[in-house]
Amino acid sequence: DIQMTQSPSSVSASVGDRVTITCRASQGISSWLAWYQQKPGKAPKLLIYAASSLQSGVPSRFSGSGSGTDFTLTISSLQPEDFATYYCQQANSFPLTFGQGTKVEIK
Amino acid sequence: EVQLVESGGGLVQPGGSLRLSCAASGFTFSSYAMSWVRQAPGKGLEWVSAISGSGGSTYYADSVKGRFTISRDNSKNTLYLQMNSLRAEDTAVYYCAKVWLTGDDAFDIWGQGTMVTVSS
Repeated sequence: DIQMTQSPSSVSASVGDRVTITCRASQGISSWLAWYQQKPGKAPKLLIYAASSLQSGVPSRFSGSGSGTDFTLTISSLQPEDFATYYCQQANSFPLTFGQGTKVEIK
Repeated sequence: EVQLVESGGGLVQPGGSLRLSCAASGFTFSSYAMSWVRQAPGKGLEWVSAISGSGGSTYYADSVKGRFTISRDNSKNTLYLQMNSLRAEDTAVYYCAKVWLTGDDAFDIWGQGTMVTVSS
């Protein structure tokens, strides 16, 4: 199985800050990586697919990069509505696996 | 509007069974693979099972293999998860999720989730 490791587990940031979350796969997954945002009590929301493609309707302050084993989600200027937990997911092979999540908190 | 609505969750005793349903609307259901993803209280996301658009291919996490069965009825636009031999560690919110594009198993549409509690 492919293990997905996110870092950090949590980050405290202020509105306007640039935030970067990394995700590492235990083996190469090409660009088969997605990023999700989840707020408490809500279903996850797809932000990025294929490592760097922005899902329709997602603000352009979100961006993804990487391929192979190392990936990054960047929020260029954190907004109040961005405080949430973020998950990466490999879509390369079954079983599909998620990272453990990164909680973005208000500083 | 593209929508997924889960139902069937509830409280069940260890060793019991439950069948979850996910009603789809707003898209051509048979054209898309679907998955179940669960989230234990206070924990992260765990993929459970997937099924191809035709229903001919199914996949399972090791943690549920042999106990859970995924299926779909394309004439009813409905996805199912039959859960048998339930354990306390199966307690979670269960989400159904639509694959955004055949060949890329990222999920663009999620249901609101249904809670399954396994407890005596």
